[in-house]
Amino acid sequence: EAGVAQSPRYKIIEKRQSVAFWCNPISGHATLYWYQQILGQGPKLLIQFQNNGVVDDSQLPKDRFSAERLKGVDSTLKIQPAKLEDSAVYLCASSSGLEDNEQFFGPGTRLTVL
Amino acid sequence: DQQVKQNSPSLSVQEGRISILNCDYTNSMFDYFLWYKKYPAEGPTFLISISSIKDKNEDGRFTVFLNKSAKHLSLHIVPSQPGDSAVYFCAASSGGGTSYGKLTFGQGTILTVHP
Repeated sequence: EAGVAQSPRYKIIEKRQSVAFWCNPISGHATLYWYQQILGQGPKLLIQFQNNGVVDDSQLPKDRFSAERLKGVDSTLKIQPAKLEDSAVYLCASSSGLEDNEQFFGPGTRLTVL
Repeated sequence: DQQVKQNSPSLSVQEGRISILNCDYTNSMFDYFLWYKKYPAEGPTFLISISSIKDKNEDGRFTVFLNKSAKHLSLHIVPSQPGDSAVYFCAASSGGGTSYGKLTFGQGTILTVHP
């Protein structure tokens, strides 16, 4: 079974530029999550999708971050414009939505904002 | 507001000995707890979990203990192996409604197992 795929793996941009990350979840997984992991901290949930609907985006900085999951499969996360404090690893995860709560994570995209 | 805390940033143990990683939480609504392991340049991988209706769950060398009254859980690894060296994250969730599946993570503990 293929895992969660993310691209790119690394991205370096200057502040005020825009950037987009892509995620392809495990086939058949209805729930998709985007997390932000700042160095030295645990992952923090940014947004949760159930199929193509948003379940929770309470911690998403909506003035600069946006995410979509068209057709309920792949997802993209965009930052526009980027700030220095957005430097982090952006992790995508998916789950079947069953009661075990187990989420499968992709390798992440490391973003550096200069 | 750090609802899940791992107060030890790092832990170093000798191969063959026991590793004990600790985690505290403050939210009484949490009813499911998970441990994830993370190697450099990889995403976290699920290790073991426990429901709040239990106080212990074992899977091979890994055992998780839950003390609800103290709002504390721990992960025991026996015996520890060099390949266990990684960052370990504790995570918690509360069931039902829109919060279902939402995980709150601790800061992580770096475990180093010396040969």
